[in-house]
Amino acid sequence: AQSVTQLDSHVSVSEGTPVLLRCNYSSSYSPSLFWYVQHPNKGLQLLLKYTSAATLVKGINGFEAEFKKSETSFHLTKPSAHMSDAAEYFCVVSRAARDDKIIFGKGTRLHILP
Amino acid sequence: GAVVSQHPSWVICKSGTSVKIECRSLDFQATTMFWYRQFPKQSLMLMATSNEGSKATYEQGVEKDKFLINHASLTLSTLTVTSAHPEDSSFYICSARRGLGGGYTFGSGTRLTVV
Repeated sequence: AQSVTQLDSHVSVSEGTPVLLRCNYSSSYSPSLFWYVQHPNKGLQLLLKYTSAATLVKGINGFEAEFKKSETSFHLTKPSAHMSDAAEYFCVVSRAARDDKIIFGKGTRLHILP
Repeated sequence: GAVVSQHPSWVICKSGTSVKIECRSLDFQATTMFWYRQFPKQSLMLMATSNEGSKATYEQGVEKDKFLINHASLTLSTLTVTSAHPEDSSFYICSARRGLGGGYTFGSGTRLTVV
């Protein structure tokens, strides 16, 4: 079985400070992991993905995430927050090896304080 | 890059009428498309998976007679909400995948309001 837990429903940071959005996963197989961002009333945009290559994955807009198998984590980080980063972020894990469905976390709302 | 177009972006309809939402992959052939529903401030809930030329696979609790899915070609899937009721009001999002192991590209979503 596959599951993903986003540990914080809301995160608030000041503009220019680091961002950390936490995600833990559970998987019976080697997982593929993704981070998506959703702005209000918009679809989802892929930030980055891990598919068993390099454990440190760099994405768009300065975001990156590190796959840590020992901690079953895939936390999303950014060195310096920008106002435009305010959005909903979803951690996603792929399901069983042959199944093409993906499992969404419940999301983390990122607030950027001026 | 892969682009998925979802139309309309918003729609208001009267109770009892049907609404069709289209999802098109613009620059790739999507062997599999997915339909999600998202309630306010909640995550995405997978409704169904459709493969081109075959019947959709619905998730538990999703009424297949109410949410009709058609995937007639490799670039188009449609979701029809039949006999819509106010409780069907929601944000519906589609995604498309090129093939096994391919990435997922999401549409921009459709805000459905049933009055």
